[in-house]
Amino acid sequence: DQQVKQNSPSLSVQEGRISILNCDYTNSMFDYFLWYKKYPAEGPTFLISISSIKDKNEDGRFTVFLNKSAKHLSLHIVPSQPGDSAVYFCAAGVNNAGNMLTFGGGTRLMVKP
Amino acid sequence: NAGVMQNPRHLVRRRGQEARLRCSPMKGHSHVYWYRQLPEEGLKFMVYLQKENIIDESGMPKERFSAEFPKEGPSILRIQQVVRGDSAAYFCASSPYSVWSADTQYFGPGTRLTVL
Repeated sequence: DQQVKQNSPSLSVQEGRISILNCDYTNSMFDYFLWYKKYPAEGPTFLISISSIKDKNEDGRFTVFLNKSAKHLSLHIVPSQPGDSAVYFCAAGVNNAGNMLTFGGGTRLMVKP
Repeated sequence: NAGVMQNPRHLVRRRGQEARLRCSPMKGHSHVYWYRQLPEEGLKFMVYLQKENIIDESGMPKERFSAEFPKEGPSILRIQQVVRGDSAAYFCASSPYSVWSADTQYFGPGTRLTVL
């Protein structure tokens, strides 16, 4: 029972273009969403989050969009850089302190110079 | 402010041995979480602890796995009588206490357990 799904295992984009990573969830109790970036042999690094009271959150080159009715969120990276090449995980949680996160399976992003 | 620390980074055990994985949360963080990542998969929640208390262990296998977060010292994830299927990357995360909002979890570098 996968409550958080990232349907694209990989994505390849050209440097300077936009990268769009998608995530779908099924549990309507989730009200807090995060994106993590992971390099090989390292732990996930927090990128950006969004609460369900918002539909957009922006931080520099990274923007997360949330569509609650569709239970869908996406991460936009503009412009993409070769250093962005990594595995990106979407995660979801419930807005109380100390709740576990449920992760998607990850999308491997490759940004070509 | 040091990040979440985990040791060892790599651990090799033979079937039937015990594995002990340690996690020191970020300074000021009182919540610790353990996740497991099998090859080519996402991270799966195992257990959530606060000092001296297990809050949620719904993701822990029923046998051979245990976790603690003592009053002093790091959190320990213990796997007894390891089997090959336990080979995975084990990540620890920590977050600060907050009544008002969900807190971002910050991850350590992980311990890669290999069972021969």
